[in-house]
Amino acid sequence: EIVLTQSPGTLSLSPGERATLSCRASQSVSSAYLAWYQQKHGQAPRLLIYAASYRAAGIPDRFSGSGSGTDFTLTISRLESEDFAVYYCQQYGNSPLFGQGTKLEIK
Amino acid sequence: QVQLQESGPGLVKPSQTLSLTCTVSGGSITRGTYYWSWIRQPAGKGLEWIGGIFTTGSANYNPSLKGRFIISIEASKNQFSLKLSSVTAADTAVYYCARLRYFDWYFDYWGQGTLVTVSS
Repeated sequence: EIVLTQSPGTLSLSPGERATLSCRASQSVSSAYLAWYQQKHGQAPRLLIYAASYRAAGIPDRFSGSGSGTDFTLTISRLESEDFAVYYCQQYGNSPLFGQGTKLEIK
Repeated sequence: QVQLQESGPGLVKPSQTLSLTCTVSGGSITRGTYYWSWIRQPAGKGLEWIGGIFTTGSANYNPSLKGRFIISIEASKNQFSLKLSSVTAADTAVYYCARLRYFDWYFDYWGQGTLVTVSS
């Protein structure tokens, strides 16, 4: 069974800085099936990135995804106040599976 | 614009059966290639896919979960449902319904979520 490990658990940054979030799979996964979501407190997750690097509709271009094999990255180029949230990666193997999340907090 | 809305009791007693319904608007639940799914999130924890049902009515469940879940579809009402039997406090969570794109395997639309508490 594939395990997704996200790091760091918590990332403390200031607005305007660059954020780099990691998602590592325990075995190689298809980049076609790797997605990222943003979840703000009390809200449902929102799709940001699908197929590892494609932005969902309406997602600002400061969000980008990359990676392949076992290592995937979500990058937020210049943080804005509304970006502070929890981020989850998700892949599909035999069934959909989420990472444990990275909390992006204001420093 | 597709919208999903969960409904059901917020409080369930231990050992009882939890029933939740997701109403889909903005598109027919039987059109397209989607897995209409349920996902849950205990307070302060991550997301767990429970299972999903294809537009044909074929359901699949998270193999890591014990078989207490049943997902069904009611096309005439544009709804799908989740039943969870023999609930315990460990089933307390926010339950989301979501649309999983078949072949692409990501969730593109989510309901707002409904908190279910298991307590006597």
